[in-house]
Amino acid sequence: EIVLTQSPGTLSLSPGERATLSCRASQSVSNTYLAWYHQKPGQAPRLLIYSASSRATGTPDRFSGSGSGTDFILTISRLETEDSAVYYCQQYGSSPYSFGQGTKLEIK
Amino acid sequence: EVQLVESGGGLVQPGGSLRLSCAGSGFTFSDYYVDWVRQAPGKGLEWVARIRNKANSYSTEYAASVKGRFTVLRDDSKNLVYLQMNTLKTDDTAVYSCARVKLGPIKYFDYWGQGTLVTVSS
Repeated sequence: EIVLTQSPGTLSLSPGERATLSCRASQSVSNTYLAWYHQKPGQAPRLLIYSASSRATGTPDRFSGSGSGTDFILTISRLETEDSAVYYCQQYGSSPYSFGQGTKLEIK
Repeated sequence: EVQLVESGGGLVQPGGSLRLSCAGSGFTFSDYYVDWVRQAPGKGLEWVARIRNKANSYSTEYAASVKGRFTVLRDDSKNLVYLQMNTLKTDDTAVYSCARVKLGPIKYFDYWGQGTLVTVSS
């Protein structure tokens, strides 16, 4: 089983700043089958990035993903207040299709 | 518009059973795999189960935490996927959501339902 560890647990930044969220896997994620989702209170998770670096339809270009193997990064440039959410990474290359524990992003 | 709507949640005693439903619309339901994911109160996301399509023999996979207790089934004639949950434990308390798995070799979750709350308590 691949365990995903996200850091930091909470990130508090101001509008216009850049956020860097990390996702580290306990073993290599095959074919960079890694996705990022965000979830706002009371809402379903929404796909942001798939295959580590491909933006999903509707994802603003302020969001970018990078990484391979065991280390992945989600970068959000020019933060907006609407970016407040919990961000999860997920690997979908091998069962069980595990999620990280989440990073809570607060926009001050 | 793609929609997934879960139902069937509620309060159940430890050791009891419950069946959740996930209704899909706005797409060719039978073509897609459907997964269940749960979120315990104040916690993160946990993948629970997958059911594949007819072309892949409706095969299933389960998380170790639910294997042998939960069963995922589908009825493509009704655009429904079910999660039959037996021998429920207090640790199974969570919001259960279904998610559509993207067609093709890159199988991320492209649409999610809002979820249904299951509370296991005496």
